[in-house]
Amino acid sequence: AQKITQTQPGMFVQEKEAVTLDCTYDTSDPSYGLFWYKQPSSGEMIFLIYQGSYDQQNATEGRYSLNFQKARKSANLVISASQLGDSAMYFCAMREGPHNAGNMLTFGGGTRLMVKP
Amino acid sequence: ETGVTQSPTHLIKTRGQQVTLRCSSQSGHNTVSWYQQALGQGPQFIFQYYREEENGRGNFPPRFSGLQFPNYSSELNVNALELDDSALYLCASRRRLAGAVGANVLTFGAGSRLTVL
Repeated sequence: AQKITQTQPGMFVQEKEAVTLDCTYDTSDPSYGLFWYKQPSSGEMIFLIYQGSYDQQNATEGRYSLNFQKARKSANLVISASQLGDSAMYFCAMREGPHNAGNMLTFGGGTRLMVKP
Repeated sequence: ETGVTQSPTHLIKTRGQQVTLRCSSQSGHNTVSWYQQALGQGPQFIFQYYREEENGRGNFPPRFSGLQFPNYSSELNVNALELDDSALYLCASRRRLAGAVGANVLTFGAGSRLTVL
């Protein structure tokens, strides 16, 4: 089974509107971390937001928020007030084990977001 | 500017050749990991180094090897190149996320794009 599933290969959103990018995960480890990265055409992976499995509240970072539904094993990224510069690939990733478990992240296949002016 | 620098940015090799990719972290983090990202896919974990020793490896054959130096720079070596080795190779170092207890985040470089002909 896929550990990280991103079901939307591509998404369009109108500038200034909000958009939700879906991510579901699969793990039996009670301790894990979930990450979202943005990858523009330049190739660099840019960290956006993090959610720990034991965090009680949904993570927020500026215009980014993570809709964490633990029972459903979903960790959707919400981008509010979309900007043209948000056009990029977005990857959901998971680290299994506690925070000191190392650098191994499992990535999903990504969603390409295109913001329309 | 992420503080992780990779070189070269692009290179072309032929099947059977060997390649060395380099990475340096300005922040001097002692943990570095390498990922392979094939076109249209999410990154896949190759291996990680901690204090100059490999201490975690993904599903990659031994012809993928690495080194980490005392100054925390790192190399990825690939022998006997195959066509399927064509990909973006990403180096990442780990940093502690401000404000989130125990959360470590990977900071990626812009990658080295390898084409094998």
